[in-house]
Amino acid sequence: QVQLQESGPGLVKPSQTLSLTCTVSGGSISSGSYYWSWIRQPAGKGLEWIGRIYTSGSTNYNPSLKSRVTISVDTSKNQFSLKLSSVTAADTAVYYCAREPRAGRVDYWGQGTLVTVSS
Amino acid sequence: QSALTQPASVSGSPGQSITISCTGTSSDVGSYNLVSWYQQHPGKAPKLMIYEVSKRPSGVSNRFSGSKSGNTASLTISGLQAEDEADYYCCSYAGSSTLFGGGTKLTVL
Repeated sequence: QVQLQESGPGLVKPSQTLSLTCTVSGGSISSGSYYWSWIRQPAGKGLEWIGRIYTSGSTNYNPSLKSRVTISVDTSKNQFSLKLSSVTAADTAVYYCAREPRAGRVDYWGQGTLVTVSS
Repeated sequence: QSALTQPASVSGSPGQSITISCTGTSSDVGSYNLVSWYQQHPGKAPKLMIYEVSKRPSGVSNRFSGSKSGNTASLTISGLQAEDEADYYCCSYAGSSTLFGGGTKLTVL
């Protein structure tokens, strides 16, 4: 059973960079043909796809966030990471890491971590 | 890219059937059979209920079914039960990116 767990600061100052890591257990991040993704959800609002990284290292990003987002993978640690730069209060949300066995289908989700952007 | 369009809320009585629509464009829902649906209870992570328009993951009740016509996908829940009360989100591949719908709150009366 694959499990994903987000970790990182729960509070980030405006204009700084939000950094989160997702640790995958129950399977190797580099085995199989999977996309590893980040999705966020502001309080009381809907889901927003941020981007994904394939096992080969190729990435796709939400066009509206592309200029600020970097997703990377560390296969030695079985982790993948999200960096979102120049954050504002609008980036306050619960951030989920997830697995997409095929683009557009998320079969495993982390529990989510709340990141608040505030001074 | 705009979010897929879903009704904000739907409701039904126990035992009834309801349908939630998800409208996209010819660049996403209309072009790919890669529409999925998620159920989310308060404070929980979403759960995959339907993928590739109409396929059910193992363990998901056959009361949940999906379909698509043109740029609109639909999720039908039959034999409504109290535990079906939740938020539901559609999702579609959109050619290198992924789009979610705005979400629909299902109330079981």
